Amino acid sequence: EAGVVQSPRYKIIEKKQPVAFWCNPISGHNTLYWYRQNLGQGPELLIRYENEEAVDDSQLPKDRFSAERLKGVDSTLKIQPAELGDSAVYLCASSLGPGFPGKYFGPGTRLTVL
Amino acid sequence: GENVEQHPSTLSVQEGDSAVIKCTYSDSASNYFPWYKQELGKRPQLIIDIRSNVGEKKDQRIAVTLNKTAKHFSLHITETQPEDSAVYFCAASLTGTASKLTFGTGTRLQVTL
Repeated sequence: EAGVVQSPRYKIIEKKQPVAFWCNPISGHNTLYWYRQNLGQGPELLIRYENEEAVDDSQLPKDRFSAERLKGVDSTLKIQPAELGDSAVYLCASSLGPGFPGKYFGPGTRLTVL
Repeated sequence: GENVEQHPSTLSVQEGDSAVIKCTYSDSASNYFPWYKQELGKRPQLIIDIRSNVGEKKDQRIAVTLNKTAKHFSLHITETQPEDSAVYFCAASLTGTASKLTFGTGTRLQVTL
């Protein structure tokens, strides 16, 4: 089966610019997660979707980050405006349901903010 | 919220030796404990997981043990090989509608020849 797909794989932008990341989960996976992984650290959950509903966005910096999963399939994570501290790898993951959180990760998008 | 501590941060073993990585968690309600392997520049990959109703689980050369009373769990890799070299992350989570993986800080394992 196809895995979790993310694009772009790499993105370099200047601070204050907007940026968007896209994720397509494994077919049939209702739960979708966005994680941020800073260099040398473990992934941190930003937001979790059950179908199209964001059920946990407590760690999402809402002043500059937004996410959507309009049809309950693919998802977009946006940062506007980006700050230097946003440089990280943004990982998308999906699972059949909340019983198996974050089981299948995508390859990630490495964001560099200059 | 949940807090997961992981030790050691780096571990170097000779090929063929065993490696043990330990994690502790703070939330006694956590009931799902996966371990991920992440090679440089790659995605985290689930290598083994354990639920709170099980004390030990083994899959070929890797095993995980869980002590719910002490709130700690460990990853054991036997007969290590160079391809085991990677960063390993433990995590803890509540399943169900409150599911959320909290990761440890990672252990860089280096298997030397």
